[in-house]
Amino acid sequence: AQKVTQAQTEISVVEKEDVTLDCVYETRDTTYYLFWYKQPPSGELVFLIRRNSFDEQNEISGRYSWNFQKSTSSFNFTITASQVVDSAVYFCALSEFYRMGNQFYFGTGTSLTVIP
Amino acid sequence: DTEVTQTPKHLVMGMTNKKSLKCEQHMGHRAMYWYKQKAKKPPELMFVYSYEKLSINESVPSRFSPECPNSSLLNLHLHALQPEDSALYLCASSQEQVGYGYTFGSGTRLTVV
Repeated sequence: AQKVTQAQTEISVVEKEDVTLDCVYETRDTTYYLFWYKQPPSGELVFLIRRNSFDEQNEISGRYSWNFQKSTSSFNFTITASQVVDSAVYFCALSEFYRMGNQFYFGTGTSLTVIP
Repeated sequence: DTEVTQTPKHLVMGMTNKKSLKCEQHMGHRAMYWYKQKAKKPPELMFVYSYEKLSINESVPSRFSPECPNSSLLNLHLHALQPEDSALYLCASSQEQVGYGYTFGSGTRLTVV
């Protein structure tokens, strides 16, 4: 079973539109961590945010915001006023406390294209 | 220094060649990882080193041989690869404890001909 589901494979938006990337996860652990990474065409995965399972506060960082809802096992990512530089593949990932070695479960990624 | 440096950035090799990928970090991270990523797919874990010891091998074929000479360096030795091994190979490091994010390198784009 897929531990992290990113149902949106590809999204295209026009510059300055808002866009939300969905992430749904599955775990039986009570302690776990969720992450978002950005992968631009250059290839490097860039860390965006880390959230632990005990912290349900939403977070805003500039144009980025994250909505963590344990009740629906979702950790969605919103980009406000999108820009061309936001074009990338975005991965959601899960790390479970009892899984050996700080291993991540990655979602399949959402490819975002921002059209100028 | 908050970077993971991977060399080379691009590599083309024949199926009979032997080559090595290198990864270096100076953040004091004690866990290091090799991931393989095919186009339009998420990264797939290959190996995990914890305190310079191999702790996880995700059933990777023996033509891939990891090595961790010290806490800052991670190598991936390649021998007798197949064209289907062509991919982006990503190195990452993190604090050893669960829940810390990875710092990824920019990867090596490997083409096997």
